[in-house]
Amino acid sequence: RKEVEQDPGPFNVPEGATVAFNCTYSNSASQSFFWYRQDCRKEPKLLMSVYSSGNEDGRFTAQLNRASQYISLLIRDSKLSDSATYLCVAFKAAGNKLTFGGGTRVLVKP
Amino acid sequence: DVKVTQSSRYLVKRTGEKVFLECVQDMDHENMFWYRQDPGLGLRLIYFSYDVKMKEKGDIPEGYSVSREKKERFSLILESASTNQTSMYLCASSFHPAGGRGNQPQHFGDGTRLSIL
Repeated sequence: RKEVEQDPGPFNVPEGATVAFNCTYSNSASQSFFWYRQDCRKEPKLLMSVYSSGNEDGRFTAQLNRASQYISLLIRDSKLSDSATYLCVAFKAAGNKLTFGGGTRVLVKP
Repeated sequence: DVKVTQSSRYLVKRTGEKVFLECVQDMDHENMFWYRQDPGLGLRLIYFSYDVKMKEKGDIPEGYSVSREKKERFSLILESASTNQTSMYLCASSFHPAGGRGNQPQHFGDGTRLSIL
């Protein structure tokens, strides 16, 4: 089992709709998390850091559920420009390790 | 804004060549990382460094080495390139707060698409 797992998608989302997807992690020692977005053939760019129960930045909300070991990302009022792959990253203090998920692809359509 | 610069966007080399990939960051970050990204496999950590002249193996160090002679520069070296090292290589850096290695977000360079023929 992968340490950080994501549904690869794609999630096909009508413009203006809300989409949410999860990232599950297997190591309960994971302390903090990040969401990155990656456009096709580009580098990952930081979207959001999650150090406690969640975080919100505009149309984007991340929620952490430690009991069930997953973190979700919700995008409200989807824009065409939100089309990208969203990477979930877990940080574990032991070994100072960052582990990337495989990414969830989101396609926002008119 | 953090700027992480990789020396080449695209590179084509031959099997057996020694290949150098360079990465420079301008934010005085302590931590620097090299990843490769392949379809279906996601980002995999090759090597990382917490300080000048320090290096630690990541998940897939075989066939690679690194050099960190200056704080701002982290080089990835393919000792004898092979076709299975054809990939997208990404460099990243992050801040290392006092008292801990830190769970700080990483900032990535544009990536180098390396093809080994």
